[in-house]
Amino acid sequence: DTEVTQTPKHLVMGMTNKKSLKCEQHMGHRAMYWYKQKAKKPPELMFVYSYEKLSINESVPSRFSPECPNSSLLNLHLHALQPEDSALYLCATRLGGDNSPLHFGNGTRLTVT
Amino acid sequence: LAKTTQPISMDSYEGQEVNITCSHNNIATNDYITWYQQFPSQGPRFIIQGYKTKVTNEVASLFIPADRKSSTLSLPRVSLSDTAVYYCLVGDSDKLIFGTGTRLQVFP
Repeated sequence: DTEVTQTPKHLVMGMTNKKSLKCEQHMGHRAMYWYKQKAKKPPELMFVYSYEKLSINESVPSRFSPECPNSSLLNLHLHALQPEDSALYLCATRLGGDNSPLHFGNGTRLTVT
Repeated sequence: LAKTTQPISMDSYEGQEVNITCSHNNIATNDYITWYQQFPSQGPRFIIQGYKTKVTNEVASLFIPADRKSSTLSLPRVSLSDTAVYYCLVGDSDKLIFGTGTRLQVFP
């Protein structure tokens, strides 16, 4: 079981579609993350929100658009993706402070056709 | 941001103790060392965290020498269910970057 809930678990989309990934937490964590993970590779940092404001963007292409509507929700809007964007997209949260650990959801498996 | 280096893979047998090392030569004064475990198609899961010396919890121990340039995750008496990828992360800010991790395979 995980305290970070990601939906959907699986998503198949065409290159012209618009879709959104959702992440929800109710632990009061103030930092929320998106990571992308390809097969047999480590998670790759994409975005970080701190107190609902975007604090880190790791030079991610604009076809990925993050949004943090409130302190419990984090979205990743997808548009005009490429097949190479197929991956496991992981959401993580952190309480805050210098050393609090990351809490991950189980991810959304995205396939772009 | 400290970079970490780990062995790519390790093999063990059930019941053995496994020690996975992580090198972080450029660790900063305020950095903590955190280890995560990841099973296929799941998000990484927090195992243990430390700053110096030794930390122990119900699943693992973490050994950190005085110079803090490396750390060792110790898993006592591994079982088949410990087969996973283990990541060492070092940092004290929001920018948390994963290294390559160590793929542990436990055999019967």
